[in-house]
Amino acid sequence: DAKTTQPTSMDCAEGRAANLPCNHSTISGNEYVYWYRQIHSQGPQYIIHGLKNNETNEMASLIITEDRKSSTLILPHATLRDTAVYYCIVRVAEFGSYQLTFGKGTKLSVIP
Amino acid sequence: DAGVIQSPRHEVTEMGQEVTLRCKPISGHNSLFWYRQTMMRGLELLIYFNNNVPIDDSGMPEDRFSAKMPNASFSTLKIQPSEPRDSAVYFCASTRGLAGTDTQYFGPGTRLTVL
Repeated sequence: DAKTTQPTSMDCAEGRAANLPCNHSTISGNEYVYWYRQIHSQGPQYIIHGLKNNETNEMASLIITEDRKSSTLILPHATLRDTAVYYCIVRVAEFGSYQLTFGKGTKLSVIP
Repeated sequence: DAGVIQSPRHEVTEMGQEVTLRCKPISGHNSLFWYRQTMMRGLELLIYFNNNVPIDDSGMPEDRFSAKMPNASFSTLKIQPSEPRDSAVYFCASTRGLAGTDTQYFGPGTRLTVL
C-alpha cells in the first residue's frame, strides 16, 4: 500500500472547520483513501473513505485532488470531542485486501 | 448494534501468568482482526480470521501468543506465559467481509499491564 504523510499536530478553534491534509503521492489507481480517528483511550473509529470523487457523510467531508496525490479531511464545525489522532490510510480496493496500515497520524487539538 | 465488544477493559497481571482477552464481533461480520498498540510501535495487526478460520497470523509476535475463533460470535487472544513487554492495548476489529472497501470497526480495547 502507498505511504502517507501527515503533519504531526494541528490546532483548531472550536466551531471552526478543521482541515487535515494528507499526502499520498505514490497512490495507485486501485487504492482508496481512508480516514480513521482515535480519541484518547478508545479504539480507532472509521470516518470516511473515497477513491477519486469528493465524499461527504454525517461526520466529515473528504476532498481528493484530481491527480489523487493528496487529500484533505474536513470537519466542518469542530467540537472539543473531535480532539483525537487522525489517521490517513491508503488501501488497495481488491477482494482479500484487509490490511490497514496505521502511521503516526495527526494529533488534532480543538481549542475552546 | 452494540458494536465490537471486548473484555476485560483492563487487565493487570504478573509476569508468567496466562492472560486471555475476549472479543465479540458485530453480528453478521465474517472477518475478525486482533491488533496491538504501543507507544513505540503504534498499531500492529497480529492475526485475522475469515469465517472463523485464521488466515494470516504473521503478525503474532511469538509462540506465547495464540488466538482462536470457535464460532462467528466469539474470539480469544491468549498470552502464555505473559511478559512485561506484552503490556499494550489490544484491539479487536470486525468487518463484513474481505471486499476491498469493507470497513473495519474497532472495539474499545483491552489495556494489558504485565508487572
